[in-house]
Amino acid sequence: QVQLVQSGAEVKNPGASVKVSCKASGYTFTSSYIHWVRQAPGQGLESMGWINTNSGGTYYPQRFQGRVTMTRDTSIGTAYMELTGLRYDDTGVYFCARDPPSTAVPLDIWGQGTSITVS
Amino acid sequence: IVLTQSPGTLSLSPGERATLSCRASQTISSSSLAWYQQKPGQPPRLLIYGVANRATGVPDRFSGSGSGADFTLTISRLEPEDFAVFYCQQYGKAPWTFGQGTKVEIK
Repeated sequence: QVQLVQSGAEVKNPGASVKVSCKASGYTFTSSYIHWVRQAPGQGLESMGWINTNSGGTYYPQRFQGRVTMTRDTSIGTAYMELTGLRYDDTGVYFCARDPPSTAVPLDIWGQGTSITVS
Repeated sequence: IVLTQSPGTLSLSPGERATLSCRASQTISSSSLAWYQQKPGQPPRLLIYGVANRATGVPDRFSGSGSGADFTLTISRLEPEDFAVFYCQQYGKAPWTFGQGTKVEIK
């Protein structure tokens, strides 16, 4: 079945970097963008941007520019999100999600989430 | 685009009707408005896309409506499994944005 499986939880010191992976299966990886969305404890959802898994092109909202980098390895169907200069308020759960080819449908498949704790 | 959801919390009993509101700071283009349901410890689940289209497997008690900058998610008769937090999202203009969420809790 179509699924996204993310890497495990991480604990990091302030100022460090973290890289989360998101492995796709059950569909053609390069047919869909991958988005990253984060959620602080007890809070709502925040978009961090996306990667065109075919071309490698990316979009990052202004607040994350300079701190986030999204990449992909098409040979293994995996997307990555690296966040640098970690701060205490980066603590939360980070999700990857599929943006399918249809422009009408947004994020239809989600990874299970990766907990990042900055402490 | 800022999305404002109301109410923050809705306290209802199973079998009752739930009406959730999502208001955008500007007109959302191409009807690019979606609704997600999230339960504790789980990722969000897509319920509605394109304002009024149910995602695969979503029961027909969930319906979406609205246009321009005002949108509504209606759950016709609440089932026990429906109690959760619901988020609206606009995906017509980058950056995509979410509302702050409405929690539907058991009264």
